[in-house]
Amino acid sequence: TQLLEQSPQFLSIQEGENLTVYCNSSSVFSSLQWYRQEPGEGPVLLVTVVTGGEVKKLKRLTFQFGDARKDSSLHITAAQPGDTGLYLCAGGPGGYQKVTFGTGTKLQVIP
Amino acid sequence: DSGVTQTPKHLITATGQRVTLRCSPRSGDLSVYWYQQSLDQGLQFLIQYYNGEERAKGNILERFSAQQFPDLHSELNLSSLELGDSALYFCASSRDRQSSYNSPLHFGNGTRLTVT
Repeated sequence: TQLLEQSPQFLSIQEGENLTVYCNSSSVFSSLQWYRQEPGEGPVLLVTVVTGGEVKKLKRLTFQFGDARKDSSLHITAAQPGDTGLYLCAGGPGGYQKVTFGTGTKLQVIP
Repeated sequence: DSGVTQTPKHLITATGQRVTLRCSPRSGDLSVYWYQQSLDQGLQFLIQYYNGEERAKGNILERFSAQQFPDLHSELNLSSLELGDSALYFCASSRDRQSSYNSPLHFGNGTRLTVT
């Protein structure tokens, strides 16, 4: 069974601060996805990374896939209240195989 | 709008009862996934269907069952409900094709089940 551990579990920061969320596993994934979930809604895909060492940027969010494809990080620059939510990483072996979701990081950005 | 429709949005029922949650996947998606999310927790995978057939099973209780119909919509049946079954139940759909990496999941807005 592939397991994904996220850290930290909770994060409360002031608007304008930077933060990094980590997603780690002992398993190799063919790809890794990051989702954000807001209260009362389903998770929404932010990005998919597929190549070891890959870095993708989405405005103030930077996603990195580890060289060995076992881990990933999400860095947010100058966090804003609109970034508040539950961040979930998810990895899978590819194709029709199911993805496994991480334990989640709950982020609160205080104005 | 993800294109995935879940009904009902809210469901309140008593212990011992049975309920059915419904999901219509995004147009063109053949895979449907069901997840359970308890308060402030991550997503627990229940079951996956692909084009009408069960593809993968997670920690789904024997009291729970699901199916995917020929029109690709899916239903999750929860029976002999207990207080601990109160949670958000999400359905997600995916294109899922033969590929080296997993297709993204598109989630509905969930059904909030409250068992009293």
